[in-house]
Amino acid sequence: AQSVAQPEDQVNVAEGNPLTVKCTYSVSGNPYLFWYVQYPNRGLQFLLKYITGDNLVKGSYGFEAEFNKSQTSFHLKKPSALVSDSALYFCAVRVTGTDKLIFGTGTRLQVFP
Amino acid sequence: ETGVTQSPTHLIKTRGQQVTLRCSSQSGHNTVSWYQQALGQGPQFIFQYYREEENGRGNFPPRFSGLQFPNYSSELNVNALELDDSALYLCASRDRLQYNEQFFGPGTRLTVL
Repeated sequence: AQSVAQPEDQVNVAEGNPLTVKCTYSVSGNPYLFWYVQYPNRGLQFLLKYITGDNLVKGSYGFEAEFNKSQTSFHLKKPSALVSDSALYFCAVRVTGTDKLIFGTGTRLQVFP
Repeated sequence: ETGVTQSPTHLIKTRGQQVTLRCSSQSGHNTVSWYQQALGQGPQFIFQYYREEENGRGNFPPRFSGLQFPNYSSELNVNALELDDSALYLCASRDRLQYNEQFFGPGTRLTVL
């Protein structure tokens, strides 16, 4: 069965510092991986995806993610955090041949001024 | 903005009642998926509709049903509401050729008392 895990419920980082939000996955076959962000009382906003190709994927709002096949990880990163990045972040994998996304439990990112 | 809208924003029902939630997709998006996001959890796939037919279902009972209309709108119906149905319900749509570009609406917050 396919799954994703986000081992951290919350990540705290000071504004201006680099941030990393961790995600590991378990899939059979090639993974289709995604990161979404959710602000309070809002739906999910797409940040970036990995389908194939370069292991470093660049996305919206300065975020990037590194796909590591040997470690089955897809960590979200940003070189310099902003207070406005504070939100709930979800990693997801798409089930091959379907539209179904399997989400992790989410990581709350708190960026302090 | 994703171009996907949902109504109502909030809804309060009592146990045993029935509810209909609505989603309006972008023009040309003939595939729509519905997700349930319980408090503190990641979204869970309910089902997907393509060309007005159910085309994939998650682990949800038959009292969760849907409709999709030719005008790119869709409905999620839940019968015999239970307390555990309290959640944020999200719809996501995509163009039929863009398997990895799903756009989420802002969600409907359902509270069952």
